[in-house]
Amino acid sequence: EVHLVESGGGLVQPGGSLRLSCAASGFIFSNHLMSWVRQAPGKGLEWVANMKQGESEKHYVDSAKGRFTISRDNAKNSLYLQMFNLRVEDTAVYYCARELYDGSGMAYDYWGQGTVVTVSS
Amino acid sequence: QSVLTQPPSVSAASGQKVTISCSGSSSNIGNHYVSWYQHFPGTAPKLLIYDNNERSSGIPDRFSGSKSGTSATLDITGLQTGDEADYYCGTWDTSLRTGVFGGGTKLTVL
Repeated sequence: EVHLVESGGGLVQPGGSLRLSCAASGFIFSNHLMSWVRQAPGKGLEWVANMKQGESEKHYVDSAKGRFTISRDNAKNSLYLQMFNLRVEDTAVYYCARELYDGSGMAYDYWGQGTVVTVSS
Repeated sequence: QSVLTQPPSVSAASGQKVTISCSGSSSNIGNHYVSWYQHFPGTAPKLLIYDNNERSSGIPDRFSGSKSGTSATLDITGLQTGDEADYYCGTWDTSLRTGVFGGGTKLTVL
């Protein structure tokens, strides 16, 4: 059975850093493009970043460029999101999600339960 | 302001049909597959439809999707109170080189 389990969220001051992790199991992790999606309080879903299987091609939403870094360790079946210079507007539930297949146009068939990031002084 | 435009809310009576629209452009919906998600607050989103009109595993045929040009729609027939949730469309945007979601539509079953 496929499982995605996020961790690493918490309360951090503006300008601080956090590293989110997503532990994957139940499938061949290296075969799938993986993404981070977030939902701020009272807002809709927002795509944050993705990374292809080969640990090479990465994409970010504009607000994350230069501050967030997505990475993966296929040997450890894990996805990461390193977040620097956090802003109040980064407060959200962060989900990791598995893309059904490369080229599916963002069809995420499995999601984690989410980890809460709160940026506040 | 979301790249994909959805109505903020829709409503219909139990047992009836509702349609949720998702409008985009040639850089996203016009050239990529569209997916639809059901989201209950506090839980993980669930994939309903992928590749414009393919139902995800376990999704009943009351849910169907379609795409025409730069717009997509999600139809839900035989509405049930358990369908009350937020629904999102999503796809890739070639110009932005990012994934994009619609702003979400809250479904109320009367």
